[in-house]
Amino acid sequence: DVQLVESGGGLVQPGGSLRLSCAVSGFTVTNYYMSWVRQAPGTGLEWVSIIYSGGTTYSADSVKGRFTISRDTSENIVYLQMNSLRAEDTAIYYCARLPGTYFDSWGLGTLVTVSS
Amino acid sequence: DIQMTQSPSTLSASVGDRVTITCRSSQIIANWLAWYQQKPGKAPKLLIYEASTLKSGVPSRFSGSGSGTEFTLTISSLQPDDFATYYCQKYDSSSPSYTFGQGTKVEIK
Repeated sequence: DVQLVESGGGLVQPGGSLRLSCAVSGFTVTNYYMSWVRQAPGTGLEWVSIIYSGGTTYSADSVKGRFTISRDTSENIVYLQMNSLRAEDTAIYYCARLPGTYFDSWGLGTLVTVSS
Repeated sequence: DIQMTQSPSTLSASVGDRVTITCRSSQIIANWLAWYQQKPGKAPKLLIYEASTLKSGVPSRFSGSGSGTEFTLTISSLQPDDFATYYCQKYDSSSPSYTFGQGTKVEIK
């Protein structure tokens, strides 16, 4: 069975850093595109970052230069390093798998709260 | 950037109703359009990809259509389990980027 399990969320002060992890099972992260999608409280979905099967990464303009997506192929884990966090980064962060141009499997999400 | 406009934002309907949700793109996006269902406190679930392909296991009352700049999600006969929020999502190869529509909340009438 395909499973994605996020961890690492929590409360952080503005300007701080946090690293999210997404441990996957049932497939290999190098065989798919892997992405992070977030959802601020009471709002819609926002794509954050993606890492392609070949290792190329892209991020949304709202997080470019602050967030970095990476992966550990030996452990089958995808990471999201978040620096210079702002109040507007407060959201549930979902890890998701893409076989192509759409997200076919999602984790349960981890909550990140940026507040002093 | 290619803009996506999803409508309506809220829809009130009864069990058994036929429901249609629309997403319009500011530019042609081929068929790189997907639809998701999200219930409160849960992760989104993929329903349809590449505009009209039903994901395995999704009930056949869900269907997707459209091409170019206008796409629709249709629920042929609304069931109690279908009351949720629905999102469209497009892929833009020029950036690349993945953009979601604003969402449509389907409520009980």
